[in-house]
Amino acid sequence: AQKVTQAQTEISVVEKEDVTLDCVYETRDTTYYLFWYKQPPSGELVFLIRRNSFDEQNEISGRYSWNFQKSTSSFNFTITASQVVDSAVYFCALSDNYGQNFVFGPGTRLSVLP
Amino acid sequence: DAGVTQSPTHLIKTRGQQVTLRCSPKSGHDTVSWYQQALGQGPQFIFQYYEEEERQRGNFPDRFSGHQFPNYSSELNVNALLLGDSALYLCASSFGGVRYEQYFGPGTRLTVT
Repeated sequence: AQKVTQAQTEISVVEKEDVTLDCVYETRDTTYYLFWYKQPPSGELVFLIRRNSFDEQNEISGRYSWNFQKSTSSFNFTITASQVVDSAVYFCALSDNYGQNFVFGPGTRLSVLP
Repeated sequence: DAGVTQSPTHLIKTRGQQVTLRCSPKSGHDTVSWYQQALGQGPQFIFQYYEEEERQRGNFPDRFSGHQFPNYSSELNVNALLLGDSALYLCASSFGGVRYEQYFGPGTRLTVT
């Protein structure tokens, strides 16, 4: 069975600090897809990134970066120089190759204080 | 280009009643998935519709059913409502299934009293 763990329930940082959100996944598949979504207070989930299991290159998009390590089954998300607008719940998610199983983690609530 | 839309925004029902929620996917998307998000938890996959058929289903009872229309819009029906069905119901659309980028709607907040 597939499973996603986000051990950090809540994180609070002061604006301009860097913050890393942890994601650990479990799957028996060799081909799978990992995602990060952001859910701001408005409630609508916003897609951030999708990676397949064969692409372990780290990715950077502006202040956001992702570290994918198959050896530790982790897909961590770092926000550099955090801003108040980054305050949201962030979900890590996992899909198998056939789209037969899509699982969200429990989420990490990030509060960025001014 | 309109994104994913859902209706209604909020709904209050009584135990035992039935409810229908609606979703219109993003233009160009052919797959609609439904999720249930209880307060303080991550979304849970209910089912996925593609080509007007239910393709995949999560661990939800048969009280939860759905439909996809030829224009790709979708409905989620829940029968014999229980208090535990109170949640935010999210619709997501994609092209080709859940392993691709999904666009989410704003959700329907269902309260069962």
